[in-house]
Amino acid sequence: AQKITQTQPGMFVQEKEAVTLDCTYDTSDPSYGLFWYKQPSSGEMIFLIYQGSYDQQNATEGRYSLNFQKARKSANLVISASQLGDSAMYFCAMREGRTAGNEKLTFGTGTRLTIIP
Amino acid sequence: SQTIHQWPATLVQPVGSPLSLECTVEGTSNPNLYWYRQAAGRGLQLLFYSIGIDQISSEVPQNLSASRPQDRQFILSSKKLLLSDSGFYLCAFGQGVNYGYTFGSGTRLTVV
Repeated sequence: AQKITQTQPGMFVQEKEAVTLDCTYDTSDPSYGLFWYKQPSSGEMIFLIYQGSYDQQNATEGRYSLNFQKARKSANLVISASQLGDSAMYFCAMREGRTAGNEKLTFGTGTRLTIIP
Repeated sequence: SQTIHQWPATLVQPVGSPLSLECTVEGTSNPNLYWYRQAAGRGLQLLFYSIGIDQISSEVPQNLSASRPQDRQFILSSKKLLLSDSGFYLCAFGQGVNYGYTFGSGTRLTVV
């Protein structure tokens, strides 16, 4: 079974609108972390936001927030007031366990977001 | 500050030729290091990771190998490239369990 599932291969959103990128995950480990990365056309991977499995509140970083629904095993990324520069591939990723020195991440297949002016 | 350097940025190699991609990290010691491959339009697949000098773990059977001759140097190699080795290769180091990775700028490899 896929550990990280991103069901939206591509999305088109009008500039200034909010956008939600879906991510569901599968793990039996009670301790895990969820990450979102942005990959512009240049190819670099940019860390956006992190949510720990024991965190009580949803993570927020500027215009990014993570809608964490633990029972549903979903970790959707919400981008408020989208901008043209938000056009990129977005990857959801998961780390299982908290072993010191083990930060292996499993990535989803990504969602290509295009912001329309 | 912690930085990661990866080169070359692009590479076109014939089938059967050798490969060496290098990654170095600055501003940190004993980092956990990772090699990922991204096929066109796909997600990232973990190839190798290393928790110390000469300590390499392979995640998938393949035509590639990795080495870590120095604490902050991670090398991806192949003796004979296959067409299926084409892709975008990313090196990364771990920032701690809550912080994910810092990635290098990537190498786009085309095997012809």
